[in-house]
Amino acid sequence: GNSVTQMQGQVTLSEEEFLFINCTYSTTGYPTLFWYVQYPGEGPQLLLKVTTANNKGSSRGFEATYDKGTTSFHLQKASVQESDSAVYYCVLVPNTGNYKYVFGAGTRLKVIA
Amino acid sequence: NAGVIQTPRHKVTGKGQEATLWCEPISGHSAVFWYRQTIVQGLEFLTYFRNQAPIDDSGMPKERFSAQMPNQSHSTLKIQSTQPQDSAVYLCASSLELGPYEQYFGPGTRLTVL
Repeated sequence: GNSVTQMQGQVTLSEEEFLFINCTYSTTGYPTLFWYVQYPGEGPQLLLKVTTANNKGSSRGFEATYDKGTTSFHLQKASVQESDSAVYYCVLVPNTGNYKYVFGAGTRLKVIA
Repeated sequence: NAGVIQTPRHKVTGKGQEATLWCEPISGHSAVFWYRQTIVQGLEFLTYFRNQAPIDDSGMPKERFSAQMPNQSHSTLKIQSTQPQDSAVYLCASSLELGPYEQYFGPGTRLTVL
């Protein structure tokens, strides 16, 4: 089946520290991968998207690289701000023609000023 | 563009009552999705429509949950005989086309079953 693993339930950082959130996935073939961010009281919103065509995505200072060899899609940011505090979801869309999202468990980021 | 609209934002029902949740997708979007979010299970897929036709309802609990899309401007999720374990945030999302594309999520309806 299709699955996404985010082992870090919560990450706490101080402002300007480096962020790294793990994501690994399991599926057949090469899926499309997303990172979504969810703020309190809102639905998830797209942070970045990566396909096999471009292998790397970036947005608002966040970066993620699609690694087919290790089936990983980690999220990084060089210097976090308090406003980055939110829940981050790694999302997989299989390439099988069924386009329902498969979400990871989410990682809650808390940035302390 | 108002985004995806969900009403009500909060709903409280008694055990055994019916709950109907509404979703208005972004105008022009052909695909509409429903998800359920709980602390324990996280975000789970329920069902989706393309051009108002149901495509996949594999995530829907079979007995008490149903979803419809009577026209292109709204979809409903109905839960009959609500149970405390149905308490969750129900999220609706839409995308321009069906495919590996961005889905735009509404703010969700928080359902509490007493």
